[in-house]
Amino acid sequence: ETGVTQTPRHLVMGMTNKKSLKCEQHLGHNAMYWYKQSAKKPLELMFVYNFKEQTENNSVPSRFSPECPNSSHLFLHLHTLQPEDSALYLCASSLRDFSYNEQFFGPGTRLTVL
Amino acid sequence: AQSVSQHNHHVILSEAASLELGCNYSYGGTVNLFWYVQYPGQHLQLLLKYFSGDPLVKGIKGFEAEFIKSKFSFNLRKPSVQWSDTAEYFCAVNGMGYGGSQGNLIFGKGTKLSVKP
Repeated sequence: ETGVTQTPRHLVMGMTNKKSLKCEQHLGHNAMYWYKQSAKKPLELMFVYNFKEQTENNSVPSRFSPECPNSSHLFLHLHTLQPEDSALYLCASSLRDFSYNEQFFGPGTRLTVL
Repeated sequence: AQSVSQHNHHVILSEAASLELGCNYSYGGTVNLFWYVQYPGQHLQLLLKYFSGDPLVKGIKGFEAEFIKSKFSFNLRKPSVQWSDTAEYFCAVNGMGYGGSQGNLIFGKGTKLSVKP
């Protein structure tokens, strides 16, 4: 266990559904991240939050909507997704939004879009 | 665009064999370098990191990596692998001052290591 939990671990949804992914960290960190891990592709950074403020949106389509109500919780709201959005979505946290801070990863949510 | 290349997609070794996984990055400035490992069914975890100082970095479980600035490389090594090292290994780079906020990591595609008992 890294102190970063993600729910659900698996999610199957249709293209018209709305669902949310949840991430929680128990490490006292102030920065949180969403990554997308697709087969045979590098891990892709999606969003970065530092002290609840979004500091990075890596050209992510608007059908992905992040929310960070506090430094311990991060959500990814999903709506009208496409089959190519099927992937493992990883959450990570670090002490602050600095390059020398180690990022701690959660176990991921395996998303399948039908 | 900045990128990270990992030369091998899948490496198969017998126990006690030596390991070297290649990692090259494209960025001309100051970099911080990381190797992460993902064991089957487990989360990504940090194996080792380089920020400055001695370019030979030692990590957990007997792994080490050498930063060669002139070659833009950060290869991972282990003298004698064990079956329990079977995992996927990811090289990641953070270039100071690029990619938006400084916390951003650029990952390679990963190398799967299978160690035969």
